[in-house]
Amino acid sequence: GQQLNQSPQSMFIQEGEDVSMNCTSSSIFNTWLWYKQDPGEGPVLLIALYKAGELTSNGRLTAQFGITRKDSFLNISASIPSDVGIYFCAGRFERSNFGNEKLTFGTGTRLTIIP
Amino acid sequence: EPEVTQTPSHQVTQMGQEVILRCVPISNHLYFYWYRQILGQKVEFLVSFYNNEISEKSEIFDDQFSVERPDGSNFTLKIRSTKLEDSAMYFCASSGGRGGYGYTFGSGTRLTVV
Repeated sequence: GQQLNQSPQSMFIQEGEDVSMNCTSSSIFNTWLWYKQDPGEGPVLLIALYKAGELTSNGRLTAQFGITRKDSFLNISASIPSDVGIYFCAGRFERSNFGNEKLTFGTGTRLTIIP
Repeated sequence: EPEVTQTPSHQVTQMGQEVILRCVPISNHLYFYWYRQILGQKVEFLVSFYNNEISEKSEIFDDQFSVERPDGSNFTLKIRSTKLEDSAMYFCASSGGRGGYGYTFGSGTRLTVV
């Protein structure tokens, strides 16, 4: 099956630092999504990417869809305490006009901010 | 902002018992999903559902699992005879169609099988 590997597995940073994480896949996707999960909650969508090479920002977050369609990265600038959580990439291969295909999730990156 | 609502938030059940996890998707969405997350692991796809039938299911979704949309608002996941390894967070999601936006997850049901 499809595998999405995220790195790093965990990060310990100080408030105000920039963060970078990435995701690589064994197969191609035509949509890449980045989610954040807080403890005991469901994943919340941060950024969606639809085209190879696309670079998209959402406030302090920037994500890119790799040209090979097998990778993506997420950057967070000037981290703040509420950025703590687990970040998941997810890929989707839309075959139809309906867009109801499953998401394949990455292994997650746990972000911790050291006081 | 529209939400996907899941109940209960936590369910404890004995091995071998049947459980039903309930979800109310966003009202104008047409596609419904169940995912699960074993503690400390990634989120895994179980099943997608559209037009009153299963669109796709994973190898995890064996004969012990079933889904149903019993009325116009609820979407349920039934596990017929629970096993210890079914202990996980179960997330319902719904989407309105193409693209990532509109693919919304609920807060999950933590299922503990003892």
